[in-house]
Amino acid sequence: AQSVTQLDSQVPVFEEAPVELRCNYSSSVSVYLFWYVQYPNQGLQLLLKYLSGSTLVKGINGFEAEFNKSQTSFHLRKPSVHISDTAEYFCAVTPLNTDKLIFGTGTRLQVFP
Amino acid sequence: NAGVMQNPRHLVRRRGQEARLRCSPMKGHSHVYWYRQLPEEGLKFMVYLQKENIIDESGMPKERFSAEFPKEGPSILRIQQVVRGDSAAYFCASSPGGSLYTEAFFGQGTRLTVV
Repeated sequence: AQSVTQLDSQVPVFEEAPVELRCNYSSSVSVYLFWYVQYPNQGLQLLLKYLSGSTLVKGINGFEAEFNKSQTSFHLRKPSVHISDTAEYFCAVTPLNTDKLIFGTGTRLQVFP
Repeated sequence: NAGVMQNPRHLVRRRGQEARLRCSPMKGHSHVYWYRQLPEEGLKFMVYLQKENIIDESGMPKERFSAEFPKEGPSILRIQQVVRGDSAAYFCASSPGGSLYTEAFFGQGTRLTVV
């Protein structure tokens, strides 16, 4: 079975500050990894994904994430956040032998002016 | 190319009524997934369908819930005799499918409120 842990339920940060949202996963098989963003009353939008290759992946809106296999982590980072980054962020995995996404409980990023 | 369309966006039902949630996948997508998001929780997988077939329903409650994806028309998630605990946001995602990974695109969700 697989599970995804997002330890921080809320992350408050001031505008233009750097931010890191943490994600750890557990799986007995290889997985693909994802970060999604959800704006209020909206669906989920894919920020970035790791399928294979370079462990540092860049996504939309200036976000990037690094896959660390030994620590089973996939932390999301942005060097300078904007007010418009305020949203809920979900980390997810897909085992290579299935098509379903397994989500963490989410981290609410609140950016203050 | 329109995105994944879900309707209605908001649905209010009294306890004991039936709820029908519709999902039209993106053009060219033959795989549909339903997820449920309870308040203050992440999304939980419910069911994975291809045209006229249920591939994986391991996340579906055993009673009152059913899903279909007919040859023609949208995918339907049906909840019979709704209870307060069914209040949640229900999201549909679609993908073209295939042997390699293909990205799933999400709809904006249906927010079900049971009163």
